[in-house]
Amino acid sequence: GENVEQHPSTLSVQEGDSAVIKCTYSDSASNYFPWYKQELGKGPQLIIDIRSNVGEKKDQRIAVTLNKTAKHFSLHITETQPEDSAVYFCAANTGNQFYFGTGTSLTVIP
Amino acid sequence: EPEVTQTPSHQVTQMGQEVILRCVPISNHLYFYWYRQILGQKVEFLVSFYNNEISEKSEIFDDQFSVERPDGSNFTLKIRSTKLEDSAMYFCATKSGNTETQYFGPGTRLLVL
Repeated sequence: GENVEQHPSTLSVQEGDSAVIKCTYSDSASNYFPWYKQELGKGPQLIIDIRSNVGEKKDQRIAVTLNKTAKHFSLHITETQPEDSAVYFCAANTGNQFYFGTGTSLTVIP
Repeated sequence: EPEVTQTPSHQVTQMGQEVILRCVPISNHLYFYWYRQILGQKVEFLVSFYNNEISEKSEIFDDQFSVERPDGSNFTLKIRSTKLEDSAMYFCATKSGNTETQYFGPGTRLLVL
């Protein structure tokens, strides 16, 4: 089955700096890659997603890039704010289920 | 904005007891999922459900687990005889028929003693 790896596991940045989280996947049939933000005690919330026919997508301070050949995709958060502090999960969709990465705990230091 | 809701938010049970976790999907969604997240680990797929039947399940979803949609609105996960290792957060997710996007509920934290 699909295997999704995510790095780093923890990330601390100064407020205003950029944060980058990277994921790789193994199954070339995966065609949909969402990113979820999970705040303490809450369920994962979709923040951005990308489909395999697109290389990059941006939504205000958040962008995602996808390299199908290399089977990796990345989340970029610019101008980070303290409220961006959370755990971020990448996922790959193969068929009817999501395979999640191990998560990145992002801390934005004011 | 419509949300997926789950009850209870927390449940403590004795090993060997049955538990039922409940989810109310977003109203026009047709696909339903259960995931679990053991503390500090990744979110893991358990089962998907569509048209009143299981469409896919993982190795974790053994005979102790079952799902149903008893009244056309709630979507439930039953664990027949809980084990210590069933302690985790259980998330319900739902999606409509014309998108891949799954919307997650807030989760039920299950603790088996």
